[in-house]
Amino acid sequence: DVKVTQSSRYLVKRTGEKVFLECVQDMDHENMFWYRQDPGLGLRLIYFSYDVKMKEKGDIPEGYSVSREKKERFSLILESASTNQTSMYLCASSNGQVVLNQPQHFGDGTRLSIL
Amino acid sequence: GDSVTQMEGPVTLSEEAFLTINCTYTATGYPSLFWYVQYPGEGLQLLLKATKADDKGSNKGFEATYRKETTSFHLEKGSVQVSDSAVYFCALKTQGGSEKLVFGKGTKLTVNP
Repeated sequence: DVKVTQSSRYLVKRTGEKVFLECVQDMDHENMFWYRQDPGLGLRLIYFSYDVKMKEKGDIPEGYSVSREKKERFSLILESASTNQTSMYLCASSNGQVVLNQPQHFGDGTRLSIL
Repeated sequence: GDSVTQMEGPVTLSEEAFLTINCTYTATGYPSLFWYVQYPGEGLQLLLKATKADDKGSNKGFEATYRKETTSFHLEKGSVQVSDSAVYFCALKTQGGSEKLVFGKGTKLTVNP
């Protein structure tokens, strides 16, 4: 089974801090994604990556950046955390190159609180 | 742009009741359609999918049929169980190679014994 592991289940940080959320997948997937999930808004795509060192903005990239130095790891960075970034963050990966319409596999999420 | 609209919850049912969660979409061409489920405290997992018109996806007693004429992909189950309590997300992937998914806002289902 594909496993997507997010480094923390719960995280509490302070306003203005630089925050790193880490995600690792073990299935050699090319594609990786970061979403945030908020009540009443569903999932919104922040950034995604098709390959190492490649990244593309999603629907809500403001205030975030990403890093993909190795194929299995995709990091989300909050450059200067703000209270409106308190949310559940979900990482996902997929193998989109070999077989079309493969599903995205999700981690269990990181619940981030910014105080 | 592409979008997914699903019925707002929460939905509360008794065990063995029939379930329908409506999902309609707006997209160009022929998108692929998905239902994901999120159990409490977990990430999302794929429940079923359909990749072309009139396809029926099915899994764990759930079914959904890709209806191009009504741009719909409604989720159904004939007899729900307490263990089906979760949040259900309808999603689409646009035809043309992009791997991005567009999600609906989710529908929370609670099944009581």
